[in-house]
Amino acid sequence: DQQVKQNSPSLSVQEGRISILNCDYTNSMFDYFLWYKKYPAEGPTFLISISSIKDKNEDGRFTVFLNKSAKHLSLHIVPSQPGDSAVYFCAAFHSGTYKYIFGTGTRLKVLA
Amino acid sequence: EAQVTQNPRYLITVTGKKLTVTCSQNMNHEYMSWYRQDPGLGLRQIYYSMNVEVTDKGDVPEGYKVSRKEKRNFPLILESPSPNQTSLYFCASSRGTGDTIYGYTFGSGTRLTVV
Repeated sequence: DQQVKQNSPSLSVQEGRISILNCDYTNSMFDYFLWYKKYPAEGPTFLISISSIKDKNEDGRFTVFLNKSAKHLSLHIVPSQPGDSAVYFCAAFHSGTYKYIFGTGTRLKVLA
Repeated sequence: EAQVTQNPRYLITVTGKKLTVTCSQNMNHEYMSWYRQDPGLGLRQIYYSMNVEVTDKGDVPEGYKVSRKEKRNFPLILESPSPNQTSLYFCASSRGTGDTIYGYTFGSGTRLTVV
């Protein structure tokens, strides 16, 4: 049972435009949500997180939005740059079990 | 430099031959975890540890063991590897336990092939 889902395996965006990556989850008990970026042959790199008590967190070009009623979060990248081309994973953390669960990833390609 | 170091980077082994993948972090992090990455399945948690001598199973623990005798080290042990354990493995560490969690620092990965 996939508790954290990224339904779009890939996404292509023109340089300078907005990239929107989506993530859905099933367990309403998750306390934190996080986004990671992964380049080939490297480990994932932490990007941004959001607590379940908030609905938005911003860090430079990256903004994460959380809609708890829909059990949905999204990562917005504005403006998108070619260096943003990578696989993006969303993750959820449950403080009751200490489990930290990842989605299956979305491959973003930013076209110059 | 703050980092998670895992070794080896690449390993080819035969079915049934015990192996250990080492993981060490220099950030004094409490929380450490092992993941495997497989095509179409993303990152799946194998085991995690909230602190020294405290470990628990993730979503795919079968065929793996771990130990946390010291805060900095969290080795992954495959007692009798099988071909379905062929995968890309990542060790990760993070500050925080209890109600707060912070972003992971990941190692560079270990690509394991079991023939």
